[in-house]
Amino acid sequence: DAMVIQNPRYQVTQFGKPVTLSCSQTLNHNVMYWYQQKSSQAPKLLFHYYDKDFNNEADTPDNFQSRRPNTSFCFLDIRSPGLGDAAMYLCATSVGPTRNEKLFFGSGTQLSVL
Amino acid sequence: AQSVAQPEDQVNVAEGNPLTVKCTYSVSGNPYLFWYVQYPNRGLQFLLKYITGDNLVKGSYGFEAEFNKSQTSFHLKKPSALVSDSALYFCAVRDSGGYQKVTFGIGTKLQVIP
Repeated sequence: DAMVIQNPRYQVTQFGKPVTLSCSQTLNHNVMYWYQQKSSQAPKLLFHYYDKDFNNEADTPDNFQSRRPNTSFCFLDIRSPGLGDAAMYLCATSVGPTRNEKLFFGSGTQLSVL
Repeated sequence: AQSVAQPEDQVNVAEGNPLTVKCTYSVSGNPYLFWYVQYPNRGLQFLLKYITGDNLVKGSYGFEAEFNKSQTSFHLKKPSALVSDSALYFCAVRDSGGYQKVTFGIGTKLQVIP
């Protein structure tokens, strides 16, 4: 089945140690998103790619970066994780940028920072 | 700025009874409204959307939602709840005047009691 796959399911890192989260999709969708979801909070959009065009949300910290080397893969890099970055990170895709498009989500990566 | 409010942290309903999960929104233009469901340890799954037309929208798993423009609401409903419906439900909105960004509510936990 076509899907959005996130690896790993759980990631533990140390305070200040760079970490990379991965997302791949077999849907051939043009748009890929990264959301941060903390407990009892709404998923928060960090950034998205429309094809190769990168769009950063204004309030996304500089500590968060993203790469999309090809249509299928997207990476979230956290350069110096802090305790406040512990969260569920959700990757999502959509066919295109039109406003009625639904999002397809991966199962998420739960990041712990020690 | 667009926003979504889900006023109930948790909704409890007995199996077989009708359920309602509430959502109100605020946008500057015409709204595109969505409901997503999140089961434990899973990503969000699309349930249904309202773009235009009939105010009653039918979606997956027997769910439906009613769009009310005057009350700026988009409540999720199901005539007869199942234990397997127990999950976290998110309402989301896109502004017709905006770009791809989807704004989510904080979610409502639905507990269906056998």
